[in-house]
Amino acid sequence: AQKVTQAQTEISVVEKEDVTLDCVYETRDTTYYLFWYKQPPSGELVFLIRRNSFDEQNEISGRYSWNFQKSTSSFNFTITASQVVDSAVYFCALSEAMTGGGADGLTFGKGTHLIIQP
Amino acid sequence: DGGITQSPKYLFRKEGQNVTLSCEQNLNHDAMYWYRQDPGQGLRLIYYSQIVNDFQKGDIAEGYSVSREKKESFPLTVTSAQKNPTAFYLCASSRFAGYGYTFGSGTRLTVV
Repeated sequence: AQKVTQAQTEISVVEKEDVTLDCVYETRDTTYYLFWYKQPPSGELVFLIRRNSFDEQNEISGRYSWNFQKSTSSFNFTITASQVVDSAVYFCALSEAMTGGGADGLTFGKGTHLIIQP
Repeated sequence: DGGITQSPKYLFRKEGQNVTLSCEQNLNHDAMYWYRQDPGQGLRLIYYSQIVNDFQKGDIAEGYSVSREKKESFPLTVTSAQKNPTAFYLCASSRFAGYGYTFGSGTRLTVV
């Protein structure tokens, strides 16, 4: 069965520091998708990135970057020059393409609560 | 604009009552999902549906029921058999696996 582990329950940094959120996953499928979502206090999940298992290129989007390494089954997320508005809970999630016909939902990690102090 | 609408935003239930949470999407997505979130926990899958008139149990389906009579709608009923229903419930939809999941804004259910 698939599993996503976010070992960091809470991280607190001072504004402008860089911060990395860790995500380790387990799956038996060779084709799968990895996601990061942001959950602000309002509760709605905000999509950040989707990555398929065949694309190991790192991705950068503004202050956000993602490091996908299949060799270590990790999909880590870095925020550069953090801002107070980045404070939220961040979830890593996995979707398997083959198991269950491919549309049986996401498996989430428990999330990392990121606190950016001014 | 296309999206997912969940209602109500807050819901209070007395013990022993059934309550139904609404989820409607106008994205023309085939698959829909219900997740439960408890404090400090990730989201756990309750039920999902890949097509109309068909749905599957997720990891924590006990005490819940769903229906999928229309493509746009996937209501979740929290029955009296659910022993600890107080939680945040999120509905989601997707066009197909891995393409992307759109989430609603959630319903916070409290048992009083």
